[in-house]
Amino acid sequence: EVQLVESGGALVQPGGSLRLSCAASGFTFSSYSMDWVRQAPGKGLEWVSYITGSSNFIYYTDSVQGRFTVSRDNAKNSLYLQMNNLRVEDTAMYFCVRLPDLDYWGQGTLVTVSS
Amino acid sequence: SYELTQPPSVSVSPGQTATIACSGDALPKSYVYWFQQKSGQAPVLVIFEDTKRPSGIPERFSGSSSGTLATLTISGAQLEDEADYYCYSTDRSTTHREFFGGGTKLTVL
Repeated sequence: EVQLVESGGALVQPGGSLRLSCAASGFTFSSYSMDWVRQAPGKGLEWVSYITGSSNFIYYTDSVQGRFTVSRDNAKNSLYLQMNNLRVEDTAMYFCVRLPDLDYWGQGTLVTVSS
Repeated sequence: SYELTQPPSVSVSPGQTATIACSGDALPKSYVYWFQQKSGQAPVLVIFEDTKRPSGIPERFSGSSSGTLATLTISGAQLEDEADYYCYSTDRSTTHREFFGGGTKLTVL
Protein backbone atom coordinates (compact mmCIF):
# COMPACT_ATOMS: atom_id res chain seq x y z
CA GLU A 1 0.00 0.00 0.00
CA VAL A 2 1.37 3.39 -1.00
CA GLN A 3 1.71 5.77 1.93
CA LEU A 4 3.01 9.31 2.24
CA VAL A 5 3.34 10.74 5.74
CA GLU A 6 4.34 14.35 6.27
CA SER A 7 5.78 15.77 9.46
CA GLY A 8 7.56 18.83 10.76
CA GLY A 9 4.82 21.42 10.64
CA ALA A 10 4.72 23.90 13.51
CA LEU A 11 4.02 27.44 14.63
CA VAL A 12 6.95 29.67 13.68
CA GLN A 13 7.57 33.41 13.74
CA PRO A 14 8.00 35.44 10.55
CA GLY A 15 11.57 35.17 9.34
CA GLY A 16 11.99 31.77 10.93
CA SER A 17 12.85 28.41 9.42
CA LEU A 18 11.26 24.99 9.31
CA ARG A 19 12.06 21.65 7.70
CA LEU A 20 9.24 19.43 6.52
CA SER A 21 9.66 15.72 5.90
CA CYS A 22 7.64 13.21 3.92
CA ALA A 23 8.15 9.49 4.54
CA ALA A 24 7.22 7.32 1.59
CA SER A 25 6.44 3.61 1.55
CA GLY A 26 4.78 0.99 -0.61
CA PHE A 27 6.50 1.93 -3.89
CA THR A 28 9.96 2.37 -5.40
CA PHE A 29 10.48 5.92 -4.19
CA SER A 30 13.55 6.66 -6.32
CA SER A 31 11.58 6.03 -9.52
CA TYR A 32 9.11 8.83 -8.95
CA SER A 33 9.24 12.58 -9.15
CA MET A 34 7.56 14.28 -6.21
CA ASP A 35 5.76 17.54 -5.54
CA TRP A 36 5.06 19.70 -2.54
CA VAL A 37 1.62 21.32 -2.76
CA ARG A 38 0.17 23.69 -0.16
CA GLN A 39 -3.24 24.97 0.81
CA ALA A 40 -3.74 28.11 2.87
CA PRO A 41 -6.68 28.00 5.32
CA GLY A 42 -9.94 28.24 3.38
CA LYS A 43 -8.11 28.67 0.07
CA GLY A 44 -7.28 26.57 -2.99
CA LEU A 45 -4.36 24.32 -3.85
CA GLU A 46 -1.01 25.80 -4.84
CA TRP A 47 1.95 23.98 -6.33
CA VAL A 48 5.17 24.73 -4.39
CA SER A 49 8.02 22.61 -5.73
CA TYR A 50 8.98 19.66 -7.91
CA ILE A 51 11.91 17.25 -7.77
CA THR A 52 12.76 14.39 -10.07
CA GLY A 53 13.60 10.92 -8.77
CA SER A 54 17.33 11.45 -9.13
CA SER A 55 17.15 15.10 -7.98
CA ASN A 56 18.48 16.16 -11.39
CA PHE A 57 15.72 18.68 -11.94
CA ILE A 58 14.21 20.92 -9.29
CA TYR A 59 11.68 23.71 -9.73
CA TYR A 60 9.79 26.12 -7.48
CA THR A 61 6.87 28.45 -7.71
CA ASP A 62 8.02 32.06 -7.90
CA SER A 63 6.86 33.07 -4.42
CA VAL A 64 9.17 30.58 -2.66
CA GLN A 65 12.16 30.68 -5.03
CA GLY A 66 15.30 31.49 -3.04
CA ARG A 67 13.65 30.76 0.31
CA PHE A 68 12.61 27.10 0.03
CA THR A 69 14.79 24.12 -0.88
CA VAL A 70 13.43 20.74 -1.82
CA SER A 71 15.57 17.61 -1.47
CA ARG A 72 15.24 13.87 -1.13
CA ASP A 73 17.11 10.91 0.30
CA ASN A 74 16.21 7.87 -1.75
CA ALA A 75 18.05 5.56 0.64
CA LYS A 76 15.66 6.71 3.37
CA ASN A 77 12.60 6.97 1.12
CA SER A 78 12.18 10.53 2.27
CA LEU A 79 11.35 13.90 0.75
CA TYR A 80 12.17 17.20 2.44
CA LEU A 81 11.29 20.87 2.20
CA GLN A 82 13.60 23.32 3.92
CA MET A 83 11.73 26.59 4.40
CA ASN A 84 13.70 29.72 5.35
CA ASN A 85 12.70 33.33 5.85
CA LEU A 86 9.11 32.29 6.37
CA ARG A 87 6.34 34.80 5.77
CA VAL A 88 2.80 35.04 7.11
CA GLU A 89 1.55 34.14 3.64
CA ASP A 90 3.36 30.78 3.82
CA THR A 91 0.81 29.65 6.41
CA ALA A 92 -0.78 26.53 4.94
CA MET A 93 -1.21 22.80 5.03
CA TYR A 94 1.68 21.28 3.09
CA PHE A 95 1.14 18.04 1.17
CA CYS A 96 3.70 15.78 -0.47
CA VAL A 97 2.39 14.24 -3.67
CA ARG A 98 3.57 11.46 -5.97
CA LEU A 99 3.96 12.24 -9.66
CA PRO A 100 3.39 11.99 -12.57
CA ASP A 101 -0.32 11.61 -11.95
CA LEU A 102 -0.59 13.13 -8.45
CA ASP A 103 -2.29 9.86 -7.57
CA TYR A 104 -1.14 9.69 -3.94
CA TRP A 105 -1.19 12.52 -1.39
CA GLY A 106 -0.11 12.58 2.21
CA GLN A 107 -2.46 13.81 4.91
CA GLY A 108 -0.57 17.09 5.16
CA THR A 109 1.36 18.94 7.85
CA LEU A 110 0.30 22.38 9.06
CA VAL A 111 2.71 25.31 8.97
CA THR A 112 1.60 28.46 10.78
CA VAL A 113 3.69 31.60 10.46
CA SER A 114 2.64 34.17 13.01
CA SER A 115 4.09 36.48 15.62
CA SER B 1 0.85 34.32 -16.92
CA TYR B 2 -0.65 30.86 -17.11
CA GLU B 3 -3.94 30.44 -15.29
CA LEU B 4 -6.72 27.91 -14.96
CA THR B 5 -10.19 29.35 -14.46
CA GLN B 6 -13.07 27.51 -12.78
CA PRO B 7 -16.52 28.69 -11.65
CA PRO B 8 -16.58 29.21 -7.87
CA SER B 9 -19.69 27.11 -7.40
CA VAL B 10 -22.02 24.64 -9.09
CA SER B 11 -25.27 23.27 -7.67
CA VAL B 12 -27.26 20.23 -8.75
CA SER B 13 -30.02 18.06 -7.40
CA PRO B 14 -29.28 14.43 -6.60
CA GLY B 15 -29.37 12.31 -9.74
CA GLN B 16 -28.76 15.25 -12.05
CA THR B 17 -25.65 15.79 -14.12
CA ALA B 18 -23.04 18.19 -12.77
CA THR B 19 -20.62 19.87 -15.15
CA ILE B 20 -17.54 21.75 -13.96
CA ALA B 21 -15.50 23.73 -16.48
CA CYS B 22 -11.82 24.62 -16.46
CA SER B 23 -10.36 27.01 -19.01
CA GLY B 24 -6.77 27.91 -19.77
CA ASP B 25 -4.79 29.04 -22.80
CA ALA B 26 -2.18 26.31 -22.45
CA LEU B 27 -4.63 23.42 -22.08
CA PRO B 28 -4.23 22.31 -25.70
CA LYS B 29 -0.59 21.52 -24.94
CA SER B 30 -0.96 19.68 -21.63
CA TYR B 31 -3.14 17.08 -19.99
CA VAL B 32 -5.76 18.08 -17.44
CA TYR B 33 -6.25 16.35 -14.13
CA TRP B 34 -9.18 16.67 -11.72
CA PHE B 35 -9.17 16.33 -7.93
CA GLN B 36 -11.96 16.00 -5.41
CA GLN B 37 -11.40 17.40 -1.93
CA LYS B 38 -13.84 16.93 0.91
CA SER B 39 -13.69 19.06 4.01
CA GLY B 40 -10.63 18.35 6.15
CA GLN B 41 -9.26 15.72 3.80
CA ALA B 42 -6.45 15.49 1.28
CA PRO B 43 -7.38 15.80 -2.40
CA VAL B 44 -8.24 12.64 -4.34
CA LEU B 45 -7.47 12.16 -8.04
CA VAL B 46 -10.68 11.49 -9.98
CA ILE B 47 -9.54 12.06 -13.61
CA PHE B 48 -6.05 11.98 -15.12
CA GLU B 49 -4.74 12.67 -18.63
CA ASP B 50 -7.95 14.47 -19.62
CA THR B 51 -10.28 11.46 -19.69
CA LYS B 52 -8.91 8.53 -17.67
CA ARG B 53 -10.47 7.39 -14.43
CA PRO B 54 -8.31 5.85 -11.67
CA SER B 55 -9.34 2.51 -10.26
CA GLY B 56 -11.89 2.91 -7.50
CA ILE B 57 -13.41 6.09 -8.91
CA PRO B 58 -17.09 5.60 -9.82
CA GLU B 59 -18.01 5.49 -13.51
CA ARG B 60 -20.25 8.53 -13.08
CA PHE B 61 -17.09 10.65 -13.12
CA SER B 62 -15.83 11.51 -16.60
CA GLY B 63 -13.56 14.09 -18.17
CA SER B 64 -13.14 15.73 -21.54
CA SER B 65 -10.89 18.37 -23.03
CA SER B 66 -11.06 20.33 -26.25
CA GLY B 67 -8.94 23.35 -27.08
CA THR B 68 -8.74 25.68 -24.11
CA LEU B 69 -11.64 24.10 -22.22
CA ALA B 70 -11.70 21.00 -20.03
CA THR B 71 -14.78 19.62 -18.36
CA LEU B 72 -15.46 17.31 -15.44
CA THR B 73 -18.87 15.65 -15.64
CA ILE B 74 -20.59 13.81 -12.83
CA SER B 75 -23.50 11.89 -14.30
CA GLY B 76 -26.14 11.25 -11.68
CA ALA B 77 -24.54 13.20 -8.86
CA GLN B 78 -24.81 11.69 -5.40
CA LEU B 79 -24.92 13.43 -2.04
CA GLU B 80 -21.43 12.07 -1.31
CA ASP B 81 -20.07 13.92 -4.36
CA GLU B 82 -20.50 17.24 -2.59
CA ALA B 83 -16.96 18.59 -2.36
CA ASP B 84 -14.48 21.05 -3.82
CA TYR B 85 -13.12 20.13 -7.23
CA TYR B 86 -9.82 21.38 -8.68
CA CYS B 87 -8.44 21.12 -12.19
CA TYR B 88 -4.68 20.94 -12.69
CA SER B 89 -2.28 21.18 -15.58
CA THR B 90 1.32 21.93 -16.36
CA ASP B 91 3.31 24.33 -18.48
CA ARG B 92 6.65 23.09 -19.71
CA SER B 93 7.01 25.49 -22.62
CA THR B 94 9.97 27.37 -21.15
CA THR B 95 10.46 25.90 -17.69
CA HIS B 96 8.48 23.66 -15.35
CA ARG B 97 5.30 25.05 -13.84
CA GLU B 98 2.27 23.34 -12.36
CA PHE B 99 -1.08 25.02 -11.87
CA PHE B 100 -4.33 24.39 -10.08
CA GLY B 101 -7.58 26.07 -10.89
CA GLY B 102 -9.18 28.12 -8.15
CA GLY B 103 -11.57 25.31 -7.26
CA THR B 104 -15.31 24.76 -7.64
CA LYS B 105 -17.60 24.04 -4.73
CA LEU B 106 -20.13 21.42 -5.84
CA THR B 107 -23.34 21.43 -3.84
CA VAL B 108 -25.72 18.49 -4.19
CA LEU B 109 -29.12 19.19 -2.67
